[in-house]
Amino acid sequence: DAGVTQSPTHLIKTRGQQVTLRCSPKSGHDTVSWYQQALGQGPQFIFQYYEEEERQRGNFPDRFSGHQFPNYSSELNVNALLLGDSALYLCASSLGRRPISGANVLTFGAGSRLTVL
Amino acid sequence: AQSVTQLDSQVPVFEEAPVELRCNYSSSVSVYLFWYVQYPNQGLQLLLKYLSGSTLVKSINGFEAEFNKSQTSFHLRKPSVHISDTAEYFCAVSDDGSGNTGKLIFGQGTTLQVKP
Repeated sequence: DAGVTQSPTHLIKTRGQQVTLRCSPKSGHDTVSWYQQALGQGPQFIFQYYEEEERQRGNFPDRFSGHQFPNYSSELNVNALLLGDSALYLCASSLGRRPISGANVLTFGAGSRLTVL
Repeated sequence: AQSVTQLDSQVPVFEEAPVELRCNYSSSVSVYLFWYVQYPNQGLQLLLKYLSGSTLVKSINGFEAEFNKSQTSFHLRKPSVHISDTAEYFCAVSDDGSGNTGKLIFGQGTTLQVKP
């Protein structure tokens, strides 16, 4: 049973460029959340997608956008890259159903490490 | 707003010694609490969780954590650590009243360094 897969694993961009990161959720999961983890920090919530719509959003500028496809996979797009966008970007999947259960717990991928020069 | 404070940024300990990693949270509503572990150059792995029921939760590899509502704490303990436990540990809280745990608030992390 494949877990959460992310691509690419590493990439280097320059300031002002745009980047797209991809995520395939764990089999059976329908919800994808994205987190940014700066070096030496805890992950910070960017947004969550469920049923192809953004359901929740953290405190990130509009330069950060996303998309969820009918097969539940997701993309994270960052425009006009800044040096401060350098981080590990983590994708996590879960089941969006309620009420709370063990199935709602997040499963994380290994991340995409973005370096902005 | 909810927040999580991990009181120790680094915890050095000798192999086979006990360890406690401290976590305090602030929230005005019922919470769901988690500990995640991150090994170098890897993503986060769920170590254990408190959703409801017994306040003492245990993992399969010997870790345990106790939810203390009055002290708003969720400290992680292990009676005897191994070299392989060396990693970064993150405490997280989700207090979304809808039961959706997609949005987690993480602490800054605690580096557990187990020495031989």
